[in-house]
Amino acid sequence: DAKTTQPPSMDCAEGRAANLPCNHSTISGNEYVYWYRQIHSQGPQYIIHGLKNNETNEMASLIITEDRKSSTLILPHATLRDTAVYYCIVRSYYNAGNMLTFGGGTRLMVKP
Amino acid sequence: EAQVTQNPRYLITVTGKKLTVTCSQNMNHEYMSWYRQDPGLGLRQIYYSMNVEVTDKGDVPEGYKVSRKEKRNFPLILESPSPNQTSLYFCASSRDAYEQYFGPGTRLTVT
Repeated sequence: DAKTTQPPSMDCAEGRAANLPCNHSTISGNEYVYWYRQIHSQGPQYIIHGLKNNETNEMASLIITEDRKSSTLILPHATLRDTAVYYCIVRSYYNAGNMLTFGGGTRLMVKP
Repeated sequence: EAQVTQNPRYLITVTGKKLTVTCSQNMNHEYMSWYRQDPGLGLRQIYYSMNVEVTDKGDVPEGYKVSRKEKRNFPLILESPSPNQTSLYFCASSRDAYEQYFGPGTRLTVT
């Protein structure tokens, strides 16, 4: 699975959009970009995933660059409850054990 | 409500005393996994199961056992716990490779 690089921490004002970047320059053609978040030692929570097209769901939007070497997770109107560690994961669909490998992630602090 | 439950949520035990952490999901998922999370090491997979009676080792299986006799349950067994198994444990389930549902976690301390 491709390695990802994320900033260790970011701040965002409540009500503003939070844009979380992820670099994955070694991504291969069959690898997906997944985003999960973990709120203070709770179980990780799935947010969104994509292959090459931009994706949107009720939680967030995922923007993937045309060369697929980087992506951005967008929380359109961040709330205090969005304070969490956000993990960008790149892996192929077929993965022994359906394993997720979490790196350091980005600690997002949403401030009033 | 779709969920993964784990019990107990917190456990303090002594070296060598066998314990079982239960995991149950109500979504009829085929895939289930156990992970441990340690500071600086991220989330590491211990064991996984692709269906009933089908289990296999993840990255860090030493000292653990699992079983999958029913689709909904996937217990984690520590036959002889040691202090280096002190960790935060998560069970997860999924129908496919896209979205995994995680349980609330079990914080285990072995003294």
